[in-house]
Amino acid sequence: AQTVTQSQPEMSVQEAETVTLSCTYDTSESDYYLFWYKQPPSRQMILVIRQEAYKQQNATENRFSVNFQKAAKSFSLKISDSQLGDAAMYFCAYRSADFGNEKLTFGTGTRLTIIP
Amino acid sequence: EAQVTQNPRYLITVTGKKLTVTCSQNMNHEYMSWYRQDPGLGLRQIYYSMNVEVTDKGDVPEGYKVSRKEKRNFPLILESPSPNQTSLYFCASRLMLRGWSYNEQFFGPGTRLTVL
Repeated sequence: AQTVTQSQPEMSVQEAETVTLSCTYDTSESDYYLFWYKQPPSRQMILVIRQEAYKQQNATENRFSVNFQKAAKSFSLKISDSQLGDAAMYFCAYRSADFGNEKLTFGTGTRLTIIP
Repeated sequence: EAQVTQNPRYLITVTGKKLTVTCSQNMNHEYMSWYRQDPGLGLRQIYYSMNVEVTDKGDVPEGYKVSRKEKRNFPLILESPSPNQTSLYFCASRLMLRGWSYNEQFFGPGTRLTVL
């Protein structure tokens, strides 16, 4: 079974600075997807960024980028130019690429605080 | 608007009183799933369904039932709720298309359940 580990329960960053959230995972599969979800106080789950394991290039979405290290099974999220609206719980998640294997396996989350 | 809806959004009940949390999606998705979110544990899958009349257990199915009589609806049933089922519940859905497994799961807004 796959596992996802987020070792930082809480992080804080000064507004406009850069912060990196860590995520490691364990799997025996070679093809899979990795995701970062944001959960603001509204509790809505919002997809921030996704990475396909077979792609070597790191995904980027505006101020959000990932550092995907497949051999190390590491998938960190970098938030540049942090804004107050980035304050939220962030979850790392794994999904198999096998058709029909749809389950998302989540980490325990990192609560990000933005300091004005 | 494409969405996953859940009702109720908040519910306080007592031990042993049967309840149903409804989930509906308007995107014609085959796959639907229920997750529960608990502090320090992230989101864990309860049950999932690959299509009408096809359901299966996730990681934490004890104390829950589901049904999938129609494609759009996937209710979560707690026959005899207990305090350890106090949690935040999310329904999610996804289009299953062989060869196109990149697309994301859509999450509902969440249901906060308290069992006294």
